[in-house]
Amino acid sequence: EDQVTQSPEALRLQEGESSSLNCSYTVSGLRGLFWYRQDPGKGPEFLFTLYSAGEEKEKERLKATLTKKESFLHITAPKPEDSATYLCAPRDQGGKLIFGQGTELSVKP
Amino acid sequence: DAGITQSPRHKVTETGTPVTLRCHQTENHRYMYWYRQDPGHGLRLIHYSYGVKDTDKGEVSDGYSVSRSKTEDFLLTLESATSSQTSVYFCASQQGLGTDTQYFGPGTRLTVL
Repeated sequence: EDQVTQSPEALRLQEGESSSLNCSYTVSGLRGLFWYRQDPGKGPEFLFTLYSAGEEKEKERLKATLTKKESFLHITAPKPEDSATYLCAPRDQGGKLIFGQGTELSVKP
Repeated sequence: DAGITQSPRHKVTETGTPVTLRCHQTENHRYMYWYRQDPGHGLRLIHYSYGVKDTDKGEVSDGYSVSRSKTEDFLLTLESATSSQTSVYFCASQQGLGTDTQYFGPGTRLTVL
């Protein structure tokens, strides 16, 4: 059975304190892994897609990496505006996204 | 981002009443999806569409039906709403399968009393 687990469930950081979010997955026939950001009361906003182990993508203070069983979202020197819930979603062989429960990130000034 | 709108944005209804939520996209995307989001759960797929009049069930389809008569519109209907269907509903669309990105609408908060 396909499964996605994100950890930690919640993360509180001080501004400038770098950290990483984890997404562990068991998905047959992986066809990409997607990261989204979701602000309260809004829909998920696309950040990255990773397709193969070893791939990395960067956007501002965020960098996503992928292995055969995990993906990490590294946040370097975060700012308060990075506070949001981050969702990981591998795509299965049928083309459907399987979402984790998310990591709620709070960055305090 | 795809131009996806949802209506209504908020709705309060009573148990047993029918409810229809609308999703509209302006990108001519072939695929459209309905999800629900609840505390303690990730986004869960209710139904999806792979073309006009072509739909299929997702993970949590019981109690829901969908229709797609035009490329741009995807309707989600709760035939007889129950309190367990209180949730936030998101619509998404995607150009193709393959490597295409799925884009989300702003959501509809539904409360069933």
